[in-house]
Amino acid sequence: QSALTQPPSASGSPGQSVTISCTGTSSDIGGYNSVSWYQQHPGKAPKLMIYEVTKRPSGVPDRFSGSKSGNTASLTVSGLQAEDEADYHCSSYGGSNNLVFGGGTKLTVL
Amino acid sequence: EVQLVESGGGLVKPGGSLRLSCAASGFTFSGYSMSWVRQAPGKGLEWVSTFSSRTRNIYYADSVKGRFTISRDDAKNSLSLQMTSLRAEDTAVYYCARDSSGWSRDVWGQGTTVTVSS
Repeated sequence: QSALTQPPSASGSPGQSVTISCTGTSSDIGGYNSVSWYQQHPGKAPKLMIYEVTKRPSGVPDRFSGSKSGNTASLTVSGLQAEDEADYHCSSYGGSNNLVFGGGTKLTVL
Repeated sequence: EVQLVESGGGLVKPGGSLRLSCAASGFTFSGYSMSWVRQAPGKGLEWVSTFSSRTRNIYYADSVKGRFTISRDDAKNSLSLQMTSLRAEDTAVYYCARDSSGWSRDVWGQGTTVTVSS
């Protein structure tokens, strides 16, 4: 199962919006509404930010939103704040009881 | 407080074995499927294995199939990963994670580091 494709880096200034893409195939992202996004600060464990494409766990700010179109999922962070600077990882159910992740995107708040 | 704590990581030679453990607390462990996810240095996350709570089915990534064995003890609220025939490419931080809706992982441990090197 191939990994999902994410841009290695993204950036934005405080207050701006930034969108991170995650591209897969019809066998994973395009075939299921099981896309998740995780935030990971350096040296820390991942934190679930979005699940089932658009849903936010309790406690996650509504500045974080998810969407999907075809084989590509996206995470949008609005009103960027300094603490949003982190790595972001996408994942998707890949069929046959497999979970596939992207390579991660480093978000820099300028 | 919901918590997962991994242990058992360390330095092992290629071809060697290691057993990782994950202690769960703060939730009904038996009611959740549990997984191992790893992260090689400077790389993205990689799903390793899942143990379903409901069906008791076990799933592995192709990269570890036949070498790693996941197990759980619901009476002790613990998850384990027995790793054999270790390779340099198995070097990573190994996370224990709780499965949630839509194949997401909503609770993660702090991770334990496995280094495979001669």
